[in-house]
Amino acid sequence: SQQGEEDPQALSIQEGENATMNCSYKTSINNLQWYRQNSGRGLVHLILIRSNEREKHSGRLRVTLDTSKKSSSLLITASRAADTASYFCATDAINQGGKLIFGQGTELSVKP
Amino acid sequence: DAGVIQSPRHEVTEMGQEVTLRCKPISGHDYLFWYRQTMMRGLELLIYFNNNVPIDDSGMPEDRFSAKMPNASFSTLKIQPSEPRDSAVYFCASSPLLRGPYGYTFGSGTRLTVV
Repeated sequence: SQQGEEDPQALSIQEGENATMNCSYKTSINNLQWYRQNSGRGLVHLILIRSNEREKHSGRLRVTLDTSKKSSSLLITASRAADTASYFCATDAINQGGKLIFGQGTELSVKP
Repeated sequence: DAGVIQSPRHEVTEMGQEVTLRCKPISGHDYLFWYRQTMMRGLELLIYFNNNVPIDDSGMPEDRFSAKMPNASFSTLKIQPSEPRDSAVYFCASSPLLRGPYGYTFGSGTRLTVV
């Protein structure tokens, strides 16, 4: 079964706007990761946030983690057409022996 | 490094045939993972290896699926006999650590169609 569930399933915005995607999960985690997948390609690792961290930044990406609510959010600021892709959260749950379990993803479309 | 290399990129086969998917991980990465991606079920972990040894194959759907890693630079995922419901994109990923700070590096995938 899926550990992470992303919300929304699809998001369409204009270039320059911010995009926020959310991920909820069910069990305690060691860390949570976000990946991007362009159409027809493999997944690319974006950022990892550990369970004892609350916020992390990488360029135009900002990730937050609320372990009390079992949720995370990915914010992409000043979006570009090139950000169009599917975004997945993946959890390293404490009871999963280090395996990464992926959510269903959010499909982001950034219109020029 | 050329990244994780998978072959073939596309495979179309008839039901009942044997299919072999191949993966070359990044040199020095001790962990190798096989995932399957479908619209209905998303990304599912099938099996992963550490130093060429299978550690967890609980995601392998059934006995028709088998995976091997004969050496540090090569892994195969075999389906015999194949069925239409096996149609999916199969990804191989590798990582130097199980819980490393940079996550997994994925290959471009093999799109399998079983007709």
